[in-house]
Amino acid sequence: SQKIEQNSEALNIQEGKTATLTCNYTNYSPAYLQWYRQDPGRGPVFLLLIRENEKEKRKERLKVTFDTTLKQSLFHITASQPADSATYLCALYYSGNTPLVFGKGTRLSVIA
Amino acid sequence: GAVVSQHPSRVICKSGTSVKIECRSLDFQATTMFWYRQFPKQSLMLMATSNEGSKATYEQGVEKDKFLINHASLTLSTLTVTSAHPEDSSFYICSASGQGAPNYGYTFGSGTRLTVV
Repeated sequence: SQKIEQNSEALNIQEGKTATLTCNYTNYSPAYLQWYRQDPGRGPVFLLLIRENEKEKRKERLKVTFDTTLKQSLFHITASQPADSATYLCALYYSGNTPLVFGKGTRLSVIA
Repeated sequence: GAVVSQHPSRVICKSGTSVKIECRSLDFQATTMFWYRQFPKQSLMLMATSNEGSKATYEQGVEKDKFLINHASLTLSTLTVTSAHPEDSSFYICSASGQGAPNYGYTFGSGTRLTVV
């Protein structure tokens, strides 16, 4: 079965630095990969989507890369702020109306 | 944008009672709803998938008689936890996809924290 690993359970960085989160998967590549933000006691909020034929996507301070050879996606937050502190989840989508498959998430803490 | 409203956000119930959680799509037709459960510091685990007007498909290990899912309309799905026990205490989240949903397809509710005492 498909396994998704997000490299660390928790990541602490200084305000202003770039946070880099990793998502690795096994087996076959998804049609697309998504990143979500989840705050405590809340549902996930969609951030970015990247398709299997795309290498990089950007949205404001966020950047996602997707390497289907390495079976890896990197999620970057540049000029990080304390308000970016949250858990970030990667999720794989395959086809049709199939459900997303989620990683465990990385809890990011941005320290002022 | 697409909005999924989930209620209640928190509920505390006594062991042995039943609890109903509602999930509504406010501005699109949710042909498919997914119900997830999330334990502390864990990933979202899919419990079941429901298509409007059809019986839900449950994941392995999820008791369909305990977690009743109804998806009778294109805007409403409900999850009823029957005869709840303390081990059912968890964070339950719905998500929806369908016509009119964003092109990434999935919108999540804000979750329900269930505590069974």
